[in-house]
Amino acid sequence: ETGVTQSPTHLIKTRGQQVTLRCSSQSGHNTVSWYQQALGQGPQFIFQYYREEENGRGNFPPRFSGLQFPNYSSELNVNALELDDSALYLCASSLRTSRDEQFFGPGTRLTVL
Amino acid sequence: GESVGLHLPTLSVQEGDNSIINCAYSNSASDYFIWYKQESGKGPQFIIDIRSNMDKRQGQRVTVLLNKTVKHLSLQIAATQPGDSAVYFCAENSGDNYGQNFVFGPGTRLSVLP
Repeated sequence: ETGVTQSPTHLIKTRGQQVTLRCSSQSGHNTVSWYQQALGQGPQFIFQYYREEENGRGNFPPRFSGLQFPNYSSELNVNALELDDSALYLCASSLRTSRDEQFFGPGTRLTVL
Repeated sequence: GESVGLHLPTLSVQEGDNSIINCAYSNSASDYFIWYKQESGKGPQFIIDIRSNMDKRQGQRVTVLLNKTVKHLSLQIAATQPGDSAVYFCAENSGDNYGQNFVFGPGTRLSVLP
């Protein structure tokens, strides 16, 4: 176990709805990255948060947004859900030094109907 | 643009044999690479990393080889065990020292036969 937890484990939403996913980082880690993993594919970088500020973003539309809290936990929010948003959403925590190892959580499986 | 891919989507090996999983990358600016293992229902788990100033790095039963000339990365698993069955991803990074934007390949599924 990595010490990174995510909630909920599974979630079913309908198109057009909004969703919030949560991640608690490993103790001592100040950086959280979010990834989207479609079925049968590798994870794709969504964005990263360091000390409550966005620190890099992948090729995802603005309806994907996030927050990081003072305790370094993080949320991923997705508005106006589309069918293609169905995926496993992974968060990874790390200590922001020179490319420290990222520790991944188990993910949240989102299904959009 | 950046891309990381794998030559084989699936690999089946006999228990006890050695496994070799390959990865090709296209971004010549990539200078840090990681191999991850992902078991069903779990997030990716770090296996081993290598920086571009190295050609080879060894861990416990695993070895990563980097050939920058042809932009190729491989993961060798010695004496493959049933617990090694999983999907393996290579990931590359070309950001600054604080960048964590890793580009993942599509993955190779390793099946270990009894």
